[in-house]
Amino acid sequence: QTVVTQEPSLTVSPGGTVTLTCASSTGSVTIGYYPNWFQQKPGQAPRPLIYSTTNKHSWTPARFSGSLLGGKAALTLSGVQPEDEAEYYCLLYYGGAWVFGGGTKLTVL
Amino acid sequence: QVQLQESGPGLVKPSETLSLTCTVSGGSISSYYWSWIRQPPGKGLEWIGYIYYSGSTDYNPSLKSRSTISVDTSKTQFSLKLRSVTAADTAVYYCARFRWAGGHDYWGQGTLVTVSS
Repeated sequence: QTVVTQEPSLTVSPGGTVTLTCASSTGSVTIGYYPNWFQQKPGQAPRPLIYSTTNKHSWTPARFSGSLLGGKAALTLSGVQPEDEAEYYCLLYYGGAWVFGGGTKLTVL
Repeated sequence: QVQLQESGPGLVKPSETLSLTCTVSGGSISSYYWSWIRQPPGKGLEWIGYIYYSGSTDYNPSLKSRSTISVDTSKTQFSLKLRSVTAADTAVYYCARFRWAGGHDYWGQGTLVTVSS
């Protein structure tokens, strides 16, 4: 069974920079996994942020960026705002099926 | 603006079939994939499967034997049936649009389905 692993929790100060990662149990994550990133706040539906590794949606703030880093997919937030406190999920493609990571709880403190 | 809205019973008995429909408005159902995703209370997201507008499907291998996704292009709706449900299927169920050039870009608000006798 394929497992996608994210940091369970991270803390960042307002104005700081933080990188969330997304690893695959099958090996290095590449562009062929089409990494997606979502933000979810309590009681709300997930909000798409990044698709196909680096691409932003029209509503994605400029401070969010996606990349590949050390064999993992990564989401970097630069100049973190208090409203960025949320759960973040990655999503990877495995040739016919998609698998979500377990999520990272980001605290802005 | 594309909008998706889930509908269906909020309570299903164990061993019965969960049936949900997602209605798409503000855009075409053609040329896209249409996904179902769920989230048990207090837990993470799980991709259930999707259907291309033409009818081809892919499913989460762990749910494939119990799941059927169908599409009705004339009604701009797609549906999920999950058979033989147990309490572990209690979750908020989301529908979403997927395209290779845009990811899972539009989502419904989600609907809570509880499996209980």
